[in-house]
Amino acid sequence: GQQVMQIPQYQHVQEGEDFTTYCNSSTTLSNIQWYKQRPGGHPVFLIQLVKSGEVKKQKRLTFQFGEAKKNSSLHITATQTTDVGTYFCAGWGVGDYKLSFGAGTTVTVRA
Amino acid sequence: GAVVSQHPSWVICKSGTSVKIECRSLDFQATTMFWYRQFPKQSLMLMATSNEGSKATYEQGVEKDKFLINHASLTLSTLTVTSAHPEDSSFYICSASPLGLGNGELFFGEGSRLTVL
Repeated sequence: GQQVMQIPQYQHVQEGEDFTTYCNSSTTLSNIQWYKQRPGGHPVFLIQLVKSGEVKKQKRLTFQFGEAKKNSSLHITATQTTDVGTYFCAGWGVGDYKLSFGAGTTVTVRA
Repeated sequence: GAVVSQHPSWVICKSGTSVKIECRSLDFQATTMFWYRQFPKQSLMLMATSNEGSKATYEQGVEKDKFLINHASLTLSTLTVTSAHPEDSSFYICSASPLGLGNGELFFGEGSRLTVL
């Protein structure tokens, strides 16, 4: 079945620095989504990418969908303490009935 | 955005008892809901897909007799953990999409943290 892999598992960042988390699928995706889960909370939708090569920005967050629609990345610039949490990528496979989640990248920020 | 409500948020029970968790879509109809399980510091593991008016579809390795799912209406799905044991202690989260399968974001409930003593 479809597998979604995500690295790194942990990212410890100095406040103000940038970082990137990467997501890779074993099969082509119809779309990819990103979620953020704060400690003790539930996942909250951030964005969905559908088109090959698509790039979307949300303030300091930049999301990319690969040309082959099998990989994606989330880049955060000028990290703030409010960015703390776990970021999950999740993909719908082509013709699939379920959303497969990556392992998540847990971000901690040192002031 | 759409709202999914889950109840209870926390539950502690004795080993051998059964626990029911409810998941409601408050402002949209959901023919399909998803039940996930999350262990500490791990990802969301899909347990089953709940289908309104029909049997749930369970993922490989998930015991359907252990985790009973009922989706009796377009806004309510329930997960019953039967004869719970300490290894069933986990964070259970439901989700649904107003746009149905294969498309659109999932809206998650607040989650239910189960502790089995």
